[in-house]
Amino acid sequence: EIVLTQSPGTLSLSPGERATLSCRASQRVSGSYLAWYQQKPGQAPRLLIYGASSRATGIPDRFSGSGSGTDFTLTISRLEPEDFAVYYCQQYDTSPFTFGQGTKLEIK
Amino acid sequence: QLQLQESGPGLVRPSETLSLTCTVSGGSISSSTYYWAWIRQPPGKGLEWIGNIYYTGSTYYHVSLKSRVTISADTSKNQFSLKLSSVTAADTAIYYCVRMFRTMIGTGWFDPWGQGTLVTVAS
Repeated sequence: EIVLTQSPGTLSLSPGERATLSCRASQRVSGSYLAWYQQKPGQAPRLLIYGASSRATGIPDRFSGSGSGTDFTLTISRLEPEDFAVYYCQQYDTSPFTFGQGTKLEIK
Repeated sequence: QLQLQESGPGLVRPSETLSLTCTVSGGSISSSTYYWAWIRQPPGKGLEWIGNIYYTGSTYYHVSLKSRVTISADTSKNQFSLKLSSVTAADTAIYYCVRMFRTMIGTGWFDPWGQGTLVTVAS
């Protein structure tokens, strides 16, 4: 099973700042088969990024994904108040399809 | 716009079988482009993929749950279902039904998600 480790566990930033979230895989994720999701309290997760760097429909361009192999990054260029949430990475290269433990992005 | 809605009991007794149904609207589960999946999230914790089904009836399960899970589909009702047997308190979670894109390698990302339904295992 591919274990995804996200860091930091909690990130405290202010609106307007840049956020950089990391996702590290325990083994190589082929073909950049990695996605990112945003989850707000009481809501289901929402797809942000797939294929490591492709934005899902309707996702603002302040969200970007990068990386390959074992190291992936989600960047939010300028934080808006609605961006404070929990973010999960997920690999779909190898079954079982696994998620990271999440990074909580909170307002400083 | 595709929508998914989970339904089923919110309380299940230990050792019994959890049964949930997902009703899909705005699209067909018979599409060859997608799988249909179940994912769960224990309260306050992370996400766990349970399994998925293809319109042909082929199923794929998490290895740790395989002995207890059955996912089935009723294309005439545009629904798919989850059964999880011999439940314990560890199976208490929000259960989401989700569409999974089918890529060149056969697997893909999850989008969209149902709103989720909390299932509590308790006597």
